[in-house]
Amino acid sequence: GQQVMQIPQYQHVQEGEDFTTYCNSSTTLSNIQWYKQRPGGHPVFLIQLVKSGEVKKQKRLTFQFGEAKKNSSLHITATQTTDVGTYFCAGGNYGGSQGNLIFGKGTKLSVKP
Amino acid sequence: NAGVTQTPKFQVLKTGQSMTLQCAQDMNHEYMSWYRQDPGMGLRLIHYSVGAGITDQGEVPNGYNVSRSTTEDFPLRLLSAAPSQTSVYFCASSYGSGLNTEAFFGQGTRLTVV
Repeated sequence: GQQVMQIPQYQHVQEGEDFTTYCNSSTTLSNIQWYKQRPGGHPVFLIQLVKSGEVKKQKRLTFQFGEAKKNSSLHITATQTTDVGTYFCAGGNYGGSQGNLIFGKGTKLSVKP
Repeated sequence: NAGVTQTPKFQVLKTGQSMTLQCAQDMNHEYMSWYRQDPGMGLRLIHYSVGAGITDQGEVPNGYNVSRSTTEDFPLRLLSAAPSQTSVYFCASSYGSGLNTEAFFGQGTRLTVV
C-alpha cells in the first residue's frame, strides 16, 4: 500500500538555525498537506500543495512539492522557540477520499534558546 | 463555532471493558475520521466516513467499530479494550472532498488500558 516516509524523526536546533523536514511517497500524490502539532496539542493544518513543483511561503516557512509529486519539504528559516512541535506531512491519492490521506510519522523539532 | 469536540479527554479502562469515544462537529462537514497516535508511529487511520450512513475501514480497524447516523456525530467504539489500544485518539473532519480541504482535529482523547 501507499507509504509516506518522513525524515528526520527528530531534529534539535539552536534558536536561529534553519530546519528542514522531508517527505517521500512510494506513489504519485494528488496533493500534500502539512500539519503542526504542539506538545500536548492536536494537529493543526498549515498548508496544502497541489501542483507539480509548487512552492509556497508562510513568513519563515517554505513548502515545496516535487516535480514528480512524490516528495515534499518544509523549511523553516531562523527557528524560534515558538516553532517547537511535531510537523507532519499527509499525502492524498488520486480519486480517493479523506480515507486515503496518509500521514508521515512526523518530525519532532526542539529549539534550544 | 466549537469545531470538532471529543469526549472524554482522558479515560482509564480495564482490559475487556468496552467504551465509546464521542466526536461531534458543528461545521456541517461530510468527511470524518478517527486516528490513533502512538509514539514514533505518527497518525494511523482507524475508520472514516464520507457521509451519514457510510463508513469504511482505515489502516488499523481491528478492535474498533464506528457508525455515522448523523452528519454531526461519529462515535468510536472499543468492543473489548486491550492494553495495545492504549493511545491518543484524534477525531478529524473536513468539508467536501478530503483531498482538497484541510482536516480539523479535535483535542484528542488519551486512553489508557490497564
